[in-house]
Amino acid sequence: AQSVTQPDIHITVSEGASLELRCNYSYGATPYLFWYVQSPGQGLQLLLKYFSGDTLVQGIKGFEAEFKRSQSSFNLRKPSVHWSDAAEYFCAVVSGGSNYKLTFGKGTLLTVNP
Amino acid sequence: DAGVIQSPRHEVTEMGQEVTLRCKPISGHNSLFWYRQTMMRGLELLIYFNNNVPIDDSGMPEDRFSAKMPNASFSTLKIQPSEPRDSAVYFCASSLTANTGELFFGEGSRLTVL
Repeated sequence: AQSVTQPDIHITVSEGASLELRCNYSYGATPYLFWYVQSPGQGLQLLLKYFSGDTLVQGIKGFEAEFKRSQSSFNLRKPSVHWSDAAEYFCAVVSGGSNYKLTFGKGTLLTVNP
Repeated sequence: DAGVIQSPRHEVTEMGQEVTLRCKPISGHNSLFWYRQTMMRGLELLIYFNNNVPIDDSGMPEDRFSAKMPNASFSTLKIQPSEPRDSAVYFCASSLTANTGELFFGEGSRLTVL
């Protein structure tokens, strides 16, 4: 069964610093990979997705993620964090084809210090 | 454009009472999902509809939970009778098609069962 691991429960960075959130997946075939963001009291919003092709994908709000098959990873990055990026971030995977089930990681809470 | 609309945003009820949560998906989306979010278990898929038909309800905790989608623009999740362990945030999400993982979430319904 597919699974997603986000090793970091909580990360604190200073505003303007770079950010990398880790995500590892377990799935036999090439997965569809996603990062979602959840602001307090809100639903989840899609940041970016990887289906195939270029392993470096760009998303909204200046985020990017890189798919590394050899490491089974799909880490999220941002060069310079803004205070408004404080939120919880979820990595997710769904198998291709007709499987609809989106499996979410437990999430990483990002705190941004001024 | 209106996103996924959920109501109520907050519900406080007593154990044993019936709870009905409502969802209006984005117009034109063919798939609808109900998720539950708790600190302990994270995001769990409860049930999934495609073209108004329930496809997989294996995530529904027990017979106390039921979901319907009478038409393309409305779905309900009902808990009867409610129990304190049902306290959670319930999210509805919709997508154009089921197998892409690109979900649009509502803002959630926070349920507290006393």
